Amino acid sequence: NAGVMQNPRHLVRRRGQEARLRCSPMKGHSHVYWYRQLPEEGLKFMVYLQKENIIDESGMPKERFSAEFPKEGPSILRIQQVVRGDSAAYFCASGRSGPNEKLFFGSGTQLSVL
Amino acid sequence: EDQVTQSPEALRLQEGESSSLNCSYTVSGLRGLFWYRQDPGKGPEFLFTLYSAGEEKEKERLKATLTKKESFLHITAPKPEDSATYLCAVQAQNQGGKLIFGQGTELSVKP
Repeated sequence: NAGVMQNPRHLVRRRGQEARLRCSPMKGHSHVYWYRQLPEEGLKFMVYLQKENIIDESGMPKERFSAEFPKEGPSILRIQQVVRGDSAAYFCASGRSGPNEKLFFGSGTQLSVL
Repeated sequence: EDQVTQSPEALRLQEGESSSLNCSYTVSGLRGLFWYRQDPGKGPEFLFTLYSAGEEKEKERLKATLTKKESFLHITAPKPEDSATYLCAVQAQNQGGKLIFGQGTELSVKP
């Protein structure tokens, strides 16, 4: 019974490149959340998705960031034209039914922008 | 604005020395308060959910309690393997499943 799978674990990009982070939720989970953890800061909510729908993107930067959770395949967090300030750990969490239930987190993707 | 503040930022204990971690929160209608444990290089691991003031939950050496303004995580006779960062998060009414996290308390237990 695999947990939440994130890949890659580490991603290095140069300024101006694109970063794609993938998240496969736990089996049977249809709710996915993305969080960002900057150095010396807490986890910050970015976006909440269900299959083929963005439910809440109030934590997403207005530009360069996008997320999707297609009918088939993993959820993708995409960062275009990365800048040094995007360097952080990005965590994905999944849940079965939304509010009131515990979320299961993946091990994260550490993005480093050179 | 919904907010979570944890104290202390760091806590060093000797093995067997019991203590408590604090989580103060302001939220426009609490749906639930969550405690997670995070080890270095890993994602948060779920510990407890508390829903109403007066509620308590226990797991091994950990006990979580909730009031209308704060939550405590009590650690009884800690062991070195309890060393981790403990995260508190709240979920507000009408906010979907979004969690608002505090900064965490980094706990170190020395043998």
